[in-house]
Amino acid sequence: DARVTQTPRHKVTEMGQEVTMRCQPILGHNTVFWYRQTMMQGLELLAYFRNRAPLDDSGMPKDRFSAEMPDATLATLKIQPSEPRDSAVYFCASGPRQVHSGNTIYFGEGSWLTVV
Amino acid sequence: GDSVTQMEGPVTLSEEAFLTINCTYTATGYPSLFWYVQYPGEGLQLLLKATKADDKGSNKGFEATYRKETTSFHLEKGSVQVSDSAVYFCALITDQAGTALIFGKGTTLSVSS
Repeated sequence: DARVTQTPRHKVTEMGQEVTMRCQPILGHNTVFWYRQTMMQGLELLAYFRNRAPLDDSGMPKDRFSAEMPDATLATLKIQPSEPRDSAVYFCASGPRQVHSGNTIYFGEGSWLTVV
Repeated sequence: GDSVTQMEGPVTLSEEAFLTINCTYTATGYPSLFWYVQYPGEGLQLLLKATKADDKGSNKGFEATYRKETTSFHLEKGSVQVSDSAVYFCALITDQAGTALIFGKGTTLSVSS
C-alpha cells in the first residue's frame, strides 16, 4: 500500500534549536508539497517541488526555513533557529505527473512540532 | 487569486441526519475540485474529487457535484454516522502549471448518537 512517509511524527524542541523534518514521497511521484497546519491559518503551502526542482516557496519564511530534495526519494524541511510560533503540524504530500489534470495528491500523516 | 470558501463550523448533527457542507471557489483556468477529510490526530485523506463541470464525485456515501455556473462543490451525505466526525476540507488545483492545492479553512463535523 503506497503512502507518503514522514519523520518524525512528533517532535518537541527548545527555541533556537534546529529542526529537520523528512518526507519520503510515493515511489514514482514527481511532485512534492510541504504544507503547514495551524488553528489560526489553516493549511498553508510552504513549498512545492517538481522533479526535485523548487517551483514555489513563496509561502516559506526564508530567514529560517529551507526545503530541499536531495534525491527523488527524500524531501526535507528545515527550521533553523526554531521559534515557538513554528509550532504546528507539517504535512508532506506527493502527486504523480499531471497533478493539474486532477490526479490525486496523497498526504503523509504529518510531523507534529512543538517549540517551547 | 484562486481561493476556496467553506461554511464556518462546527457542524453538529445527530446520527442519521442529512449533511451539507457548502464550498465555493474562485479560480482562473479550469480547476479540479476535491474534498479531503482529516480524522483526529491523522493526516488528510482524499474523500472524493471531480475534474470537470457537472462531474459528481462520490465515496463512502458522500457526494459532491462540480457546478461551474455557481462555482460550487457542496458536500452532502444522506445519513451521517458517529464515525464521520472529522474535519472536512474543500480544495482546488487549477490547470495552470506551477500551482498547488489550495484549501478552504476546513469545517469540523461532530456527530452524536
